[in-house]
Amino acid sequence: AQKVTQAQTEISVVEKEDVTLDCVYETRDTTYYLFWYKQPPSGELVFLIRRNSFDEQNEISGRYSWNFQKSTSSFNFTITASQVVDSAVYFCALKEAGTALIFGKGTTLSVSS
Amino acid sequence: SQTIHQWPATLVQPVGSPLSLECTVEGTSNPNLYWYRQAAGRGLQLLFYSVGIGQISSEVPQNLSASRPQDRQFILSSKKLLLSDSGFYLCAWSDEGERTTEAFFGQGTRLTVV
Repeated sequence: AQKVTQAQTEISVVEKEDVTLDCVYETRDTTYYLFWYKQPPSGELVFLIRRNSFDEQNEISGRYSWNFQKSTSSFNFTITASQVVDSAVYFCALKEAGTALIFGKGTTLSVSS
Repeated sequence: SQTIHQWPATLVQPVGSPLSLECTVEGTSNPNLYWYRQAAGRGLQLLFYSVGIGQISSEVPQNLSASRPQDRQFILSSKKLLLSDSGFYLCAWSDEGERTTEAFFGQGTRLTVV
């Protein structure tokens, strides 16, 4: 069965600190997709990144970077030089082919000035 | 381009009353459709998942039900609401097959059962 674990419930940092959000997944499929979403206080879910199981290249987008490691079943998310606007709940999600998208419990990130 | 509409945005309902939340998708055909619920301060719980008209998988049966009367319409219902049904309900769609996409979410409905 598929499962996503985000062990960090809450993280608090001060602006300009780097922060890494952990995500560990479980799946028996060889074809699957991993995602990160951001949920600001307004509630909507903002898509950040999608990665399929055959693409282990790490990705960088501005201050955001993602580290996908199949050997450890992890898909971690790093924010460099955090800002107050990064304060939100961040969700990691997993989708196997032909099944529903399931989410981890989320990590609440608080960035103070 | 594809859009997803979900309404109403907020809803206050008494215990024991019925519920109907509607979600429609435009600009795509045969999408996968989802209903999720987020209780206060908690994660996203998958309630229902549909891969086509009349095909619905229930993850959390309880007193909620879902229907898909048309390809791009997904309805969440209850005959009698419970206090524990309060939460933030999100509808989403995604594509499957040759290009599996991320899930695109509606704006959500904040339901308070009183």
